[in-house]
This record gives sequence, C-alpha cells and structure tokens, in this order.
Amino acid sequence: GENVEQHPSTLSVQEGDSAVIKCTYSDSASNYFPWYKQELGKRPQLIIDIRSNVGEKKDQRIAVTLNKTAKHFSLHITETQPEDSAVYFCAANAGGTSYGKLTFGQGTILTVHP
Amino acid sequence: NAGVTQTPKFQVLKTGQSMTLQCAQDMNHNSMYWYRQDPGMGLRLIYYSASEGTTDKGEVPNGYNVSRLNKREFSLRLESAAPSQTSVYFCASRDPSAPPLHFGNGTRLTVT
Repeated sequence: GENVEQHPSTLSVQEGDSAVIKCTYSDSASNYFPWYKQELGKRPQLIIDIRSNVGEKKDQRIAVTLNKTAKHFSLHITETQPEDSAVYFCAANAGGTSYGKLTFGQGTILTVHP
Repeated sequence: NAGVTQTPKFQVLKTGQSMTLQCAQDMNHNSMYWYRQDPGMGLRLIYYSASEGTTDKGEVPNGYNVSRLNKREFSLRLESAAPSQTSVYFCASRDPSAPPLHFGNGTRLTVT
C-alpha cells in the first residue's frame, strides 16, 4: 500500500519567515496530493491540493510543488503569521483511483512566533 | 447547511461495551469515509462507502463495522470496544466530481 513520510515533525519560525514542509510517497500510481491544516481540537481543513498533471500550484501565501519522478511534494508558506500555527498534514491517494482514500503523513506542528 | 455532522462529540466506554458513531451529511455527496486519528500517526482510513449500498475496508478495519443507511448517513459500530480503539474519529464526505474531503468535527472516544 501507499506510505507517506512527512518532515519535519515540528517546525518553529519567526513571524514573516517562510516555512517548508516536505513529504515523500511510495505509490507511483498516486495522482492527488492534498494538504490539510488542523487547529487544536478542530477538524482537518483543506488548504491546498495538487494533481499529478501539474508541478506547482499557488494560493496567495501558500504553494505546493510536486516532483513525480522523485515522488515528493512540499508545502511552502511565505510571510508566516501567528494564525498559521497549527498541525499540517500531507496526504496522497492510495492506488490513484479514489480521491477520498487518502494515506496521511504523520503531521508537522508549525509554531509561528510573533 | 451544516456540512458533515457527527454524534456524539465525546464518549467514554468500558472495555467490551459496544456503541455506534453517527455521521450525516447534507451536501448530497455520494462518497463517505471514516478515519481515526491517533497522536503522531496522522489519520488512517477505517472504512469507506463509495456510494449508497456499498462499503469497503480501509487501512485499519479490524474491530469495526459500518452501515451506509442511506445517501446521507454512514455509521461506524464498535461491537466490543478495546483500549486500542481510544482515538478521535472523523467522518468525511466528498462529491464524486470534486476531490476535497469535507470532515466532520470528530468524536473523541476513550475506552478504559
């Protein structure tokens, strides 16, 4: 089955700095890679996703890059703000057949210091 | 429009007790999912239902059963709860034409 590894497990930055979280996956058939943000005690919420037919996608301060050859994808947050502090999860769809059958990474706790 | 609604929010069970976690969505989505979240392990898929009348196992189905009661509702049952099932359970749904999963607010289950 699919295996998704996420690094780092914790990340601490100063407000205004950039943050980068990286994930690798094992199933070459995976074709959908979402990123979720989860605040303490809340549900995961999608912040950005990318499909395998593109290499990069941006949404304001957030971007995701995908390297299918190397089987890794990354989340980039620029100009970080304290409200960006949360746990971030990457995911990939196992087998590439269903967008809902996701294998998640272990999560990254991002702390943005004012 | 409430999205995905889960009940109860919290539950404490003794080992061996049974219970059903309820999930309902009002977005007319075909596909529904149950995930569990444990510290340091991300979310793992328990069961899913691609459409009304079908259910399939996910990554960690042992100890659970599901019922897709109708298009709106997808329940998760623990027949004989074990401490290893202490977790936060999330129900999710999605539209077949659009990938994003929409999660409910979760049920925090403790088995003593």
